Amino acid sequence: GAVVSQHPSWVICKSGTSVKIECRSLDFQATTMFWYRQFPKQSLMLMATSNEGSKATYEQGVEKDKFLINHASLTLSTLTVTSAHPEDSSFYICSGELAGSYEQYFGPGTRLTVT
Amino acid sequence: KNQVEQSPQSLIILEGKNCTLQCNYTVSPFSNLRWYKQDTGRGPVSLTIMTFSENTKSNGRYTATLDADTKQSSLHITASQLSDSASYICVVSQGPAGGYNKLIFGAGTRLAVHP
Repeated sequence: GAVVSQHPSWVICKSGTSVKIECRSLDFQATTMFWYRQFPKQSLMLMATSNEGSKATYEQGVEKDKFLINHASLTLSTLTVTSAHPEDSSFYICSGELAGSYEQYFGPGTRLTVT
Repeated sequence: KNQVEQSPQSLIILEGKNCTLQCNYTVSPFSNLRWYKQDTGRGPVSLTIMTFSENTKSNGRYTATLDADTKQSSLHITASQLSDSASYICVVSQGPAGGYNKLIFGAGTRLAVHP
């Protein structure tokens, strides 16, 4: 149980375009979802925390207008990278927190390459 | 400053051998400590979770220890297998604050198991 999926698993887009990444909790309800970014050989860095039905809370240094997060339901959160640049190329990982447990379950990640 | 430090950064061992990975942390307030395994290009998978009162926890060939007084943890892997090659990340959960636990990630130890 407690499976989180991400779609797509990898994406290549051109500079200046936008790309949307979906994060779904398949068998549990996630009142809180988290978005992380991971550069090569580095650990995960929290970008933002989103609660279902409310605005996301962004970490310091993360541009909220560039990384749009929508958490419309208890099983789905989306991250949209707007006007992508090559420096946005990274591995994006989401996690869902099982309500009442404080346990986070991670998705398999999405590899974004901006050319 | 809330930090999680891991050592060594990388480690190479022969198949069948044992190894121990170290984690020191300065995180407050402390909720729990987790060890995750992350295969290249994949999301982290939980190995163990320990609360303040737990000294040791096992999951198959993985055994984690926690000394809350010295704020140190270790992950011992016995009879290593080629499939153990991955990054092992120590994560300390801070909180709860604002209704959820914030995870503080270590940089990870990259383990390579050679035949």
